[in-house]
Amino acid sequence: KQEVTQIPAALSVPEGENLVLNCSFTDSAIYNLQWFRQDPGKGLTSLLLIQSSQREQTSGRLNASLDKSSGRSTLYIAASQPGDSATYLCALADTGRRALTFGSGTRLQVQP
Amino acid sequence: SAVISQKPSRDICQRGTSLTIQCQVDSQVTMMFWYRQQPGQSLTLIATANQGSEATYESGFVIDKFPISRPNLTFSTLTVSNMSPEDSSIYLCSVGGRGETQYFGPGTRLLVL
Repeated sequence: KQEVTQIPAALSVPEGENLVLNCSFTDSAIYNLQWFRQDPGKGLTSLLLIQSSQREQTSGRLNASLDKSSGRSTLYIAASQPGDSATYLCALADTGRRALTFGSGTRLQVQP
Repeated sequence: SAVISQKPSRDICQRGTSLTIQCQVDSQVTMMFWYRQQPGQSLTLIATANQGSEATYESGFVIDKFPISRPNLTFSTLTVSNMSPEDSSIYLCSVGGRGETQYFGPGTRLLVL
């Protein structure tokens, strides 16, 4: 059974810092990996999707990498802003099905 | 991207009652998923709902407790039956979009007293 772990559980940084969120998983037979943000009291917003054959994806200040052999993904946020404050979730779809297994999330606070 | 709406957005219910949550998508999709997010926890898959077939439930979730309907390619319902305070959670539906990005509804916040 796939297990997904996210470290750190919480992070507080001053505005402008570059930061890295980590996600590790136990089964490398994945279909894709997706990063989401969740704002308090709201649903999930998809940030980046990495297919199993890809190494990384970029969108604006966000860059996500995938290393299946080591069972790791990282989300890099450049020049953080207070508006980046949210919980960031890593989720994987196993080969053969599209439902997602989620990590426990990293709660990020960016101080102005 | 898919636009997903859920009704109700929140509810407060008495134990022993049932609540049906609706999920509406703005385009036809084959697979819909229902997740639960308990307070302070991450999301856990309840079941996968395909149109025209029985829903497939994950370990720990049973049809008698969480019956699901999928009458067409844009709509699904999840019922939380015989509720107890432990069912207090956010319930979210999602669909797989182009490139297999998954999109989520805004969630239904349920409090059981």
